[in-house]
Amino acid sequence: EPEVTQTPSHQVTQMGQEVILRCVPISNHLYFYWYRQILGQKVEFLVSFYNNEISEKSEIFDDQFSVERPDGSNFTLKIRSTKLEDSAMYFCASSAEGHGTQYFGPGTRLLVL
Amino acid sequence: DQQVKQNSPSLSVQEGRISILNCDYTNSMFDYFLWYKKYPAEGPTFLISISSIKDKNEDGRFTVFLNKSAKHLSLHIVPSQPGDSAVYFCAATLFTSGTYKYIFGTGTRLKVLA
Repeated sequence: EPEVTQTPSHQVTQMGQEVILRCVPISNHLYFYWYRQILGQKVEFLVSFYNNEISEKSEIFDDQFSVERPDGSNFTLKIRSTKLEDSAMYFCASSAEGHGTQYFGPGTRLLVL
Repeated sequence: DQQVKQNSPSLSVQEGRISILNCDYTNSMFDYFLWYKKYPAEGPTFLISISSIKDKNEDGRFTVFLNKSAKHLSLHIVPSQPGDSAVYFCAATLFTSGTYKYIFGTGTRLKVLA
């Protein structure tokens, strides 16, 4: 069964450093998403991406964040200058249709020191 | 602005009994509702969904009920099994700015006791 994959599974970084989180969505899906979950809190929407552009982004997704689909298979989330409060589990998801069920990857646990 | 609320952070149920997980929402424009299950250190996995034009959807042991007038949905698991122990998130979709946006609830941790 096709699945969404994410790398790395864990990332530890120093405050102020740039991180890139990678996702490989399900191959025939057209809609891509990033979410995060701070420990003990709810899953929060960050951004949706379709047709090579951002469709929607939340207040969390400020200028420090960017997304890219560089090669038609990977979907990346970049945090330019990490802050302590960026420490969270980051989930990528994809769906075949905008209204369709989203399938989530296993997540990348980011720890900013 | 918590548009999707799961007021019970946790629930314990005996194996074989019914688990009922509740979710309330505030936005009448939501048009699709979903339940996701999440095990520790894994991503949420889709469980069951319901369109806003329906009031019930059933899939095996899982049934979702939607009460639009009360802006309330519930997930019933019958019979509950120890493997159902997980965090359950309800989510609602909203068509905005030309795209669908998912809004998740805070989750309910279900523990099924053997």
